[in-house]
Amino acid sequence: KAGVTQTPRYLIKTRGQQVTLSCSPISGHRSVSWYQQTPGQGLQFLFEYFSETQRNKGNFPGRFSGRQFSNSRSEMNVSTLELGDSALYLCASSQGGLGEKLFFGSGTQLSVL
Amino acid sequence: GEDVEQSLFLSVREGDSSVINCTYTDSSSTYLYWYKQEPGAGLQLLTYIFSNMDMKQDQRLTVLLNKKDKHLSLRIADTQTGDSAIYFCAERVNTGGFKTIFGAGTRLFVKA
Repeated sequence: KAGVTQTPRYLIKTRGQQVTLSCSPISGHRSVSWYQQTPGQGLQFLFEYFSETQRNKGNFPGRFSGRQFSNSRSEMNVSTLELGDSALYLCASSQGGLGEKLFFGSGTQLSVL
Repeated sequence: GEDVEQSLFLSVREGDSSVINCTYTDSSSTYLYWYKQEPGAGLQLLTYIFSNMDMKQDQRLTVLLNKKDKHLSLRIADTQTGDSAIYFCAERVNTGGFKTIFGAGTRLFVKA
């Protein structure tokens, strides 16, 4: 079974630009969660999608958005990039039940200059 | 509120036991997890425990849960250099929808 695939692996953007990150979950998984990882803050929950609906959202500004497609693939978008958005963005897929075991991708390393 | 706290660093000698501790605040936790992250990689699930259990053992790993004190620990027996990584404690909560909350991670250094 293929794992969680995130593209691209690395991104360099400048302030004010926007960026779209992609995540393909494990086949059969209907839930995709996104996290932001920074050295100082650890993993911060962005949002979770299940069957194309956002089920939960973390405390991030509206510049951070996401969506999920009918094939469970997900994208997240960050508009008007700021220097502080530089981070590793991790996607995790799961089946979507109560006792969730998250399977993570290798992440997209975003650098904002 | 939802908060998971862990110490940032732990250093042990090869062959010794490592104990990584974690505290959480949300009493609605259903499952608690330990994940491992190696350099350049995403997180990998190591083990998990349901909130009505006290202990779970899985080969070299022992998880202890003190629900009264909201304290979770991970013991790695006979620690090896290959265990050097960042270990994350996480809880599954249901506050306005399910989500998994992570601690900041404990970086484990294993000295040969």
